[in-house]
Amino acid sequence: DTAVSQTPKYLVTQMGNDKSIKCEQNLGHDTMYWYKQDSKKFLKIMFSYNNKELIINETVPNRFSPKSPDKAHLNLHINSLELGDSAVYFCASSPSDFYEQYFGPGTRLTVT
Amino acid sequence: AQSVTQLDSQVPVFEEAPVELRCNYSSSVSVYLFWYVQYPNQGLQLLLKYLSGSTLVKGINGFEAEFNKSQTSFHLRKPSVHISDTAEYFCAVISPYNPGGKLIFGQGTELSVKP
Repeated sequence: DTAVSQTPKYLVTQMGNDKSIKCEQNLGHDTMYWYKQDSKKFLKIMFSYNNKELIINETVPNRFSPKSPDKAHLNLHINSLELGDSAVYFCASSPSDFYEQYFGPGTRLTVT
Repeated sequence: AQSVTQLDSQVPVFEEAPVELRCNYSSSVSVYLFWYVQYPNQGLQLLLKYLSGSTLVKGINGFEAEFNKSQTSFHLRKPSVHISDTAEYFCAVISPYNPGGKLIFGQGTELSVKP
């Protein structure tokens, strides 16, 4: 059974478009996250949510808007996509905000 | 604020040889430490973690790490590597005093195991 799942796995789109990435966890965790991995494989947190409440917003442009409809889901919507948004985006979850985090398989976003 | 430095960006090693991947961290408060592995085109998988207690931590796939508070290090070791260990390895820290669960990652070390 998949613990943290993301859709889609690959996303190719043009500049200026709006796209969403979905994340679901079936671990019963309270906290969910979005991370961005750049072309040099550096990982950086973007957002964290605890029980649907935004806890961390790590100086991410307003074009990125996370939405948590319930504790098990955290979606990422991106407006007006730019070339620099090309990256792999990982969703993760954890039982609370300082235990180990479980990562999804990633979504590779390519903006052309 | 916390930071993590992985001292080697690439580590080539022959199969069945021992390996050590080095990680140093900086923090003004106590932290929890983790090692994650990322196989090609996959997500991150937790190898091991240090929260408290014994400074020698054993993880999955025969890996272990030792927490050294005085040297602010958390080096990862394996006595005998396999081809299947070829992957990117990330050291990470989190502070229980900062709300939100912000994992700070090192730059990653690419382990390449050759036959």
